[in-house]
Amino acid sequence: DTEVTQTPKHLVMGMTNKKSLKCEQHMGHRAMYWYKQKAKKPPELMFVYSYEKLSINESVPSRFSPECPNSSLLNLHLHALQPEDSALYLCASSQDPGSNQPQHFGDGTRLSIL
Amino acid sequence: QQQVKQSPQSLIVQKGGISIINCAYENTAFDYFPWYQQFPGKGPALLIAIRPDVSEKKEGRFTISFNKSAKQFSLHIMDSQPGDSATYFCAAPEAAGNKLTFGGGTRVLVKP
Repeated sequence: DTEVTQTPKHLVMGMTNKKSLKCEQHMGHRAMYWYKQKAKKPPELMFVYSYEKLSINESVPSRFSPECPNSSLLNLHLHALQPEDSALYLCASSQDPGSNQPQHFGDGTRLSIL
Repeated sequence: QQQVKQSPQSLIVQKGGISIINCAYENTAFDYFPWYQQFPGKGPALLIAIRPDVSEKKEGRFTISFNKSAKQFSLHIMDSQPGDSATYFCAAPEAAGNKLTFGGGTRVLVKP
């Protein structure tokens, strides 16, 4: 089991739906990340939060809206997604935003857009 | 954006053999190069990482070799086991910090 917990594990939604992905870590990490991974491809960075503030947005479409309510939680709000957004969405965390520390990944949410 | 070139894309090795995966990166001032192992349906798990002040790091059957002047590093899996069958990603940090760029991945299949 990973120390980064993501829910739900699977999500199927229509293009007009609104849903949220949740990520939780209790390792005291102060950097949290969202990645998108397509089949047989490496993870691609979407967002980085440092000390609960958005520090990096990799030009992600506004239909993806991240939120960091506190140092342990990270959400990704989804609205009006497209079929090409179907992918595995991974959350990760690392100890210190100011230095290169290992990133620890959750097992992801498998998202399917109908 | 920094590129990380990983090879080979796939690898088949017999049980007990050695799996070797190579990565090359571009300019970086940072000091951390991790390898991740990913099984189907799971997230990437940190396998082993190296900092460029050492040329080699070994953890069990896994060894990273690092060549700073050539900007290359490699993963060796000794005595490969069927349970090692997974996709392996190398990664390197971008100058902006906190941003890991992943290599394209290597799918390793260990045949019994």
